[in-house]
Amino acid sequence: LAKTTQPISMDSYEGQEVNITCSHNNIATNDYITWYQQFPSQGPRFIIQGYKTKVTNEVASLFIPADRKSSTLSLPRVSLSDTAVYYCLEGSNDYKLSFGAGTTVTVRA
Amino acid sequence: NAGVTQTPKFQVLKTGQSMTLQCAQDMNHNSMYWYRQDPGMGLRLIYYSASEGTTDKGEVPNGYNVSRLNKREFSLRLESAAPSQTSVYFCASSLQGLGTYEQYFGPGTRLTVT
Repeated sequence: LAKTTQPISMDSYEGQEVNITCSHNNIATNDYITWYQQFPSQGPRFIIQGYKTKVTNEVASLFIPADRKSSTLSLPRVSLSDTAVYYCLEGSNDYKLSFGAGTTVTVRA
Repeated sequence: NAGVTQTPKFQVLKTGQSMTLQCAQDMNHNSMYWYRQDPGMGLRLIYYSASEGTTDKGEVPNGYNVSRLNKREFSLRLESAAPSQTSVYFCASSLQGLGTYEQYFGPGTRLTVT
């Protein structure tokens, strides 16, 4: 069973920033927080991973507060091609990653 | 560099038939995985292979068997297909030891059991 909680869906418009928050109420000390993206009819794709504070790469930013009970994926200036399902996961190894239902992000023109 | 490849892309089976889904990766990854994804749901881990020569059960292993043929290939077998096994099956691989949990996924196999 998925250990995280995230919104089922979010709508946005092109050029806006999208922030998806995930709850990690039972996260373990050794767990990292990882986010994946999945387009229709494709397998998921790794976006970003962090342990605490802020991580940024060319695609997104990940904010993790000090208590690590939540994480926020930030997608700057989204485009139509960012329409996808986004999954947050927690784990200390990738043998038992648990994908929940994810957040369906729909970007409109 | 093809990444993770899966065959077939689509398959229709009758209840009770058997089949093997094939997966191969060319990234020299140590670990490989099989997931299933039902409509509107996330992925559930069926089996994984942490390294060549080892396999372990995931969340939903019943009705499936796996073989890690070599470092590149990891197959999933359905011995007696059931309608409940209608799903999209994804294979993935990862390189352990880097401290990241980045799995690379194949394009999936859409299986329908009638």
